[in-house]
Amino acid sequence: DAGVIQSPRHEVTEMGQEVTLRCKPISGHDYLFWYRQTMMRGLELLIYFNNNVPIDDSGMPEDRFSAKMPNASFSTLKIQPSEPRDSAVYFCASSFPTYNEQFFGPGTRLTVL
Amino acid sequence: AQSVTQPDIHITVSEGASLELRCNYSYGATPYLFWYVQSPGQGLQLLLKYFSGDTLVQGIKGFEAEFKRSQSSFNLRKPSVHWSDAAEYFCAVYRGNKLVFGAGTILRVKS
Repeated sequence: DAGVIQSPRHEVTEMGQEVTLRCKPISGHDYLFWYRQTMMRGLELLIYFNNNVPIDDSGMPEDRFSAKMPNASFSTLKIQPSEPRDSAVYFCASSFPTYNEQFFGPGTRLTVL
Repeated sequence: AQSVTQPDIHITVSEGASLELRCNYSYGATPYLFWYVQSPGQGLQLLLKYFSGDTLVQGIKGFEAEFKRSQSSFNLRKPSVHWSDAAEYFCAVYRGNKLVFGAGTILRVKS
């Protein structure tokens, strides 16, 4: 298996632009997690899905952030409009079941100018 | 508040020396416990996990961790550190369908 795949690996955008981050989980995993990592706040769970359904989005910082999982092999995290404080590394992870090992993707480094 | 504490932000050890990274949690029951490692520019990789049973857990890359209920600790150890072990290490606890991560400990290895 190729592991969790994220794209793009790096994204540089200007404030106010829409940003879409993509994730392909490991086949057969029914949980998918989106995290954000910053120096100030460490690793934060933003949202997670079970069987493509959002279960807990309490970590989503504000309405500018949205996430979808249209099928078992694809998820997106969208920021609209983006702000400089959104600059971070965004990780996607998947697992089966939820309490077992989470496999992390390589992350997307987002820079908002 | 329920939390995971890694008291050491940075640790520097000499290559070949032993290593212990500390982790404490503040949950009442015995949680599921994990150690992850993150190399620069990479995602997190699981080193080991503890669910139940033997309190000394063996992981990959020669790491082990010991769960001590009385101290609410799950410290990570390695008898002899290699330069390639330089990375950031995260302790995590599974609670309520989520992993709660500590702030991480950055390990530097000097030759």
